[in-house]
Amino acid sequence: AQSVTQLDSQVPVFEEAPVELRCNYSSSVSVYLFWYVQYPNQGLQLLLKYLSGSTLVESINGFEAEFNKSQTSFHLRKPSVHISDTAEYFCAVSSTGGSNYKLTFGKGTLLTVNP
Amino acid sequence: SAVISQKPSRDICQRGTSLTIQCQVDSQVTMMFWYRQQPGQSLTLIATANQGSEATYESGFVIDKFPISRPNLTFSTLTVSNMSPEDSSIYLCSVRTAGGNTIYFGEGSWLTVV
Repeated sequence: AQSVTQLDSQVPVFEEAPVELRCNYSSSVSVYLFWYVQYPNQGLQLLLKYLSGSTLVESINGFEAEFNKSQTSFHLRKPSVHISDTAEYFCAVSSTGGSNYKLTFGKGTLLTVNP
Repeated sequence: SAVISQKPSRDICQRGTSLTIQCQVDSQVTMMFWYRQQPGQSLTLIATANQGSEATYESGFVIDKFPISRPNLTFSTLTVSNMSPEDSSIYLCSVRTAGGNTIYFGEGSWLTVV
């Protein structure tokens, strides 16, 4: 079984400040890791993913996440946030083996960027 | 990636009625899933939609309440039966594309049961 813990349910920051959204997971098997973003009144969009290779992955809008296997973490960071980054962010995992592509989600972190 | 269309995008339903949500993908996909997101909550997998056979349901979800069809590789439906206010949620269709290890989501169907 897998689980995902997002330690912060809400993170308020000011515009242009750096931000880190924390994600830890638990799994007895190897995993793929994902961050999804849900803007207000919208569906889920894939933000970035770790499947293999470099442990540091980046998105097109300035977010990055680093897979740390020893700490079982996949924290999301951005050096300078914008008002438009206000959204709910979900960390998710799926196992790498077999045909199981089911995602297990964390409870989400609401990022609010204030002017 | 894949473009996933869901209908309806929003609906207000009467208690005791049933509603069918449609999910159409613009390309053939290997796997389709249905998730539920209750207000203020995270996403929970309802079932995996299997082409030409019965869906595989997760613990806590049953076919009588959430019948699912998947007649081909690009289309699936989820019916929410005998709705109650507790069924008010966002229902999201998701897919895994051929050869990929990433799951993509539709925009969701926002249901309110009154």
